[in-house]
Amino acid sequence: AQSVTQLGSHVSVSEGALVLLRCNYSSSVPPYLFWYVQYPNQGLQLLLKYTTGATLVKGINGFEAEFKKSETSFHLTKPSAHMSDAAEYLCAVTNSGGSNYKLTFGKGTLLTVNP
Amino acid sequence: EAGVTQFPSHSVIEKGQTVTLRCDPISGHDNLYWYRRVMGKEIKFLLHFVKESKQDESGMPNNRFLAERTGGTYSTLKVQPAELEDSGVYFCASSQDWGRVGYEQYFGPGTRLTVT
Repeated sequence: AQSVTQLGSHVSVSEGALVLLRCNYSSSVPPYLFWYVQYPNQGLQLLLKYTTGATLVKGINGFEAEFKKSETSFHLTKPSAHMSDAAEYLCAVTNSGGSNYKLTFGKGTLLTVNP
Repeated sequence: EAGVTQFPSHSVIEKGQTVTLRCDPISGHDNLYWYRRVMGKEIKFLLHFVKESKQDESGMPNNRFLAERTGGTYSTLKVQPAELEDSGVYFCASSQDWGRVGYEQYFGPGTRLTVT
């Protein structure tokens, strides 16, 4: 079985500060990893994904994440927070070798950006 | 290109009533998923269609939930009879054929179901 742990249900940063959202996963097979963002009253939007290849992946809106197999982590970062980044961020994992790419999600981290 | 759409956006029903949620995936996407998020909890998988066939329904809570995907296009999720614990946000997602680059699932805005 797979699982995802997101440390910190709520993270608050100042505008212009570094954003670091933590995600650790558990998987018995090589994982595919995803970060989604949900703005209020909207659906989930994919920020970035790791499937194979380069372990540092860049996404939209200046976000990036690094897959670290030894640490079973896929933390999301952004060098400088913007007010528009305020949203809920969800980390998810799926099996790379399965026949069903259903996603297992963490509980999410609500990011607040202070002026 | 239109995204995944869901109807209704909100539904408030009484315990014991029936509700049907609808999802229209992105055109050409064979894979369709249903997920649910109960307040304060993580988003959880309910089931997966490949075209009109149920590939995996291991996440369906019980037999009060019935999902269909007639003709491999839109899908419905019926809850009958609804119970208080069925309240939550129901998300639909779709994706292209496996093996294509990305394996990305595109999510709809969700249907917020409240059972009173």
